[in-house]
Order: sequence, then C-alpha cells, then structure tokens
Amino acid sequence: GQQLNQSPQSMFIQEGEDVSMNCTSSSIFNTWLWYKQDPGEGPVLLIALYKAGELTSNGRLTAQFGITRKDSFLNISASIPSDVGIYFCAGQLRNNNDMRFGAGTRLTVKP
Amino acid sequence: SQTIHQWPATLVQPVGSPLSLECTVEGTSNPNLYWYRQAAGRGLQLLFYSVGIGQISSEVPQNLSASRPQDRQFILSSKKLLLSDSGFYLCAWSLGGNTEAFFGQGTRLTVV
Repeated sequence: GQQLNQSPQSMFIQEGEDVSMNCTSSSIFNTWLWYKQDPGEGPVLLIALYKAGELTSNGRLTAQFGITRKDSFLNISASIPSDVGIYFCAGQLRNNNDMRFGAGTRLTVKP
Repeated sequence: SQTIHQWPATLVQPVGSPLSLECTVEGTSNPNLYWYRQAAGRGLQLLFYSVGIGQISSEVPQNLSASRPQDRQFILSSKKLLLSDSGFYLCAWSLGGNTEAFFGQGTRLTVV
C-alpha cells in the first residue's frame, strides 16, 4: 500500500491566490517528486528533489525536500485557471527501485 | 530523446476475457519499468515494477501479471478479467537509482 500521506485532499481557490500542499511519510525517502495530472492523461513531472533541504523552483511552482527526508511541500503562486488538476507527490525509499505515490490533491481554481 | 508508448488508449472488455496491455520505451537502455493502476478519482497504486528483462516485482496480490520479454517492453496481462479490474492503467519508466519517472498516456480499461 501507499506510504505517503498527502494533504489536503482537495482545494478550491480563487484565481490569483497562492496554494500549498504537502506530503509526509514515516519512512526516509531518497527522492521526492511532484507531478500534475490532467483528466484522462498520464501524470507529468513538475519538480524533482534529490537532497534534504533542497528548494527548487519551476516558474510559479516551488518545492522543498524536508530536512528530515520524511516530507516535502509544493507551493503554487498566483494561481491561474490552467493550474486545475490533480497534484501528486511521489517518493523513492532508500535502496529501493519502486516509486510510491500520495493520494493526490485535487485543485480547482475559480476565475 | 526518450519516449514512452502505451496502447491501447481505451479498452472495453467483458468479464472473464483475457487482457494484454503493452508499453514500450524508446531512446534509453535498461530502464526501470512500472505499471500503476488508478481508480476513478484516486491515487496511483503500484502494481508491478521491473529492473531488467525477466525481473518482475509484484506489489499487490491480484488477478494481473506482468512480463518483460525485452529490455524496453513491459506487458500487463490477465487470463480472466474481473469487474474490479476496471481502471486507468499507467506505464512509467525511470533510469533507477532514485531518479524521476516518466509516464505514458494511460489505458482506460472498462470491464463489463
């Protein structure tokens, strides 16, 4: 089963607002990844994090790899309607080749 | 550049029929390959992953099986589909060693 706890489950925000979502785990992860999925399509990679404490930006998106290696957050600034979708965190455990996903955060942006 | 192909895009199959979904990767060698299932409105459940030809790790006991006959080919199969096998099936690849994974476009399977 899944080992990542992602929250919130869903968010309804106004266009222009900032968004924050996070993932936590009881296990130490070597890699944290954030994906976005549009309806009927495969997830698309947004940001990849490889080092504890790492803070990485991709346009209006910023993500951080927690110091404890057990958590990560994703922030979206100045949201726009095309940010609508489901955002997933994913992680790889140490010495492991599989990749686990959080349950997703469904984002709705109202114009 | 690397690309991943997954087919078919949609599939409607009767209960009890067999299943074969195929995934191929181009532009890389010896990738890690993954099969995930996503129920409607839910997260991704890891079904199988493979680190090499003929090497399959199963995460969830179920009605499905996977095979990797070639380095860049990953197949998801079932001998007899159940209604509960309906879902969105996603294939992904990575270079392993804690690197990012890239997904195919998915196959929406409806078992009727």
